[in-house]
Amino acid sequence: DAKTTQPPSMDCAEGRAANLPCNHSTISGNEYVYWYRQIHSQGPQYIIHGLKNNETNEMASLIITEDRKSSTLILPHATLRDTAVYYCIVREGNNRLAFGKGNQVVVIP
Amino acid sequence: DTGVSQDPRHKITKRGQNVTFRCDPISEHNRLYWYRQTLGQGPEFLTYFQNEAQLEKSRLLSDRFSAERPKGSFSTLEIQRTEQGDSAMYLCASSLVFSGANVLTFGAGSRLTVL
Repeated sequence: DAKTTQPPSMDCAEGRAANLPCNHSTISGNEYVYWYRQIHSQGPQYIIHGLKNNETNEMASLIITEDRKSSTLILPHATLRDTAVYYCIVREGNNRLAFGKGNQVVVIP
Repeated sequence: DTGVSQDPRHKITKRGQNVTFRCDPISEHNRLYWYRQTLGQGPEFLTYFQNEAQLEKSRLLSDRFSAERPKGSFSTLEIQRTEQGDSAMYLCASSLVFSGANVLTFGAGSRLTVL
């Protein structure tokens, strides 16, 4: 079973920032949080990962709370092409990344 | 960077037939993963290789499933005596652990339909 909790779906307005929440209350001290997204019928696409500090790349920003029990993925200016299922993932077992059902994000014009 | 390649992209077969999928990972990646994804669900872990060694298998991987990575490069996933419940997208991913982070790069997947 996945060790993260995400809302099943959310809508966001085109051009606005999209804030995607994730709870990972059982995360251990040395585990990273990874975010992927999957557009229909394609393989999952890596977005960003982080350990303790906030991270930013060309796709998104990742805000991790100080207690590391939750994080937020921020898409700064959502476009229609950002419509996808977004997965927040932590390591399960020794080496596997466990995906849940993810958050179906729909960007609305 | 050619990414992770999977072949075939689509396979339609009749129940009881054997099928084999191939995955070519990113060349410098030493880890290779197989996942299965059914409609409306997230990817489910099947198995994982580090170089040529198969280090972990999910209980989802029944005895009809076998995966190999003979020389630590490409990998094959074979399903024997296919059943309709095997219909799914089979995803391959590869990675190279760096600074403790394990970022997987996924292929486009191989979609299996069992009639």
